[in-house]
Amino acid sequence: DGGITQSPKYLFRKEGQNVTLSCEQNLNHDAMYWYRQDPGQGLRLIYYSQIVNDFQKGDIAEGYSVSREKKESFPLTVTSAQKNPTAFYLCASSGEQGTNEKLFFGSGTQLSVL
Amino acid sequence: QQQVKQSPQSLIVQKGGIPIINCAYENTAFDYFPWYQQFPGKGPALLIAIRPDVSEKKEGRFTISFNKSAKQFSLHIMDSQPGDSATYFCAASGADSWGKLQFGAGTQVVVTP
Repeated sequence: DGGITQSPKYLFRKEGQNVTLSCEQNLNHDAMYWYRQDPGQGLRLIYYSQIVNDFQKGDIAEGYSVSREKKESFPLTVTSAQKNPTAFYLCASSGEQGTNEKLFFGSGTQLSVL
Repeated sequence: QQQVKQSPQSLIVQKGGIPIINCAYENTAFDYFPWYQQFPGKGPALLIAIRPDVSEKKEGRFTISFNKSAKQFSLHIMDSQPGDSATYFCAASGADSWGKLQFGAGTQVVVTP
């Protein structure tokens, strides 16, 4: 059963704490992405990675960090520098043969601040 | 600043009606315009997409209309069903964007029985 797995589904962060969101894909896609979704604002790109060991900042990278040590995995760390972390976080991948544009999304992680 | 402007924010139609969602963009380098459908608590899924070389594309009950000169595109849901109730996002990207889509703010569609 191919797809993108995000965990956990719900996550709570205390003040000053770093938290890491997991994203794993078994679609053999080269590119992976992290989007943040806020009500009424659509999806905004945080970071993206086109190949292993390489990643680029998106539109709202401040307060976030990522790594891409394996093709299958693209974890996102929400650091204490991110002052408004409450949001729905979506991981996606692309690289289907014939097109690099179609994004496949995971089911998301809802992050809330305690 | 949002590069893709989407309207309306929400709409309610009766079963069988035709909800229409509109999007506008400024960046003339955009050449790929997908629509994504999202159900509560789930990630978005690609519904239908269009490129600027055609003015209309149909897939089942979903139709995209594209007006290149006006830099606008819209989604029509024909013979809408309660199961179509979801949030719909338009998006756009350029030739070298590699999935770096610019999304609209989303439209929540409710289809009543």
